[in-house]
Amino acid sequence: NAGVTQTPKFQVLKTGQSMTLQCAQDMNHNSMYWYRQDPGMGLRLIYYSASEGTTDKGEVPNGYNVSRLNKREFSLRLESAAPSQTSVYFCASTPDRVIYNSPLHFGNGTRLTVT
Amino acid sequence: KQEVTQIPAALSVPEGENLVLNCSFTDSAIYNLQWFRQDPGKGLTSLLLIQSSQREQTSGRLNASLDKSSGRSTLYIAASQPGDSATYLCGRGYQKVTFGTGTKLQVIP
Repeated sequence: NAGVTQTPKFQVLKTGQSMTLQCAQDMNHNSMYWYRQDPGMGLRLIYYSASEGTTDKGEVPNGYNVSRLNKREFSLRLESAAPSQTSVYFCASTPDRVIYNSPLHFGNGTRLTVT
Repeated sequence: KQEVTQIPAALSVPEGENLVLNCSFTDSAIYNLQWFRQDPGKGLTSLLLIQSSQREQTSGRLNASLDKSSGRSTLYIAASQPGDSATYLCGRGYQKVTFGTGTKLQVIP
């Protein structure tokens, strides 16, 4: 029962490099989310996908792009990494387009350092 | 902007004590309120979800309540154990969940 799987677990980038964070869920969930967690800031939503084929901006989308490749996979891309993007990134999913009654399921995170 | 606040940021209690964690939010037009647990280096695990039409939810030693009129939710942990040590976060929302910054709980044996 894998749930939400994120790869890689750790990554160090130099300023200006690009990378893609991968997220896959095996629970047949419709909605998927990318959050970042920073000390003292809590979790902030970067992008979300209410269903396959749709994506929307969250609270802090600048510097990021996303792709909902299929129902299972939702990737987050940093085109030109900056030190301000040093953070822990979490992917989450929920069964319904409307999360009225469905808790979020989280992956274990990707710890990204940009030097 | 919807705000979620959790006070205190950290709490230390002796084993066996009953305790209450607080979560306050702006905007009483709430759809649901979720409580999560986060262990160091791990993702968040959902503990309880309270729909806006409900006043409380219970799971084992945990009880979460929701008072929309005052903009508050509480998580009650009965007979705390060292294994309860973790950071507890609350989140409110509909399509997008807004989180508080969490309360770091330490239960001392």
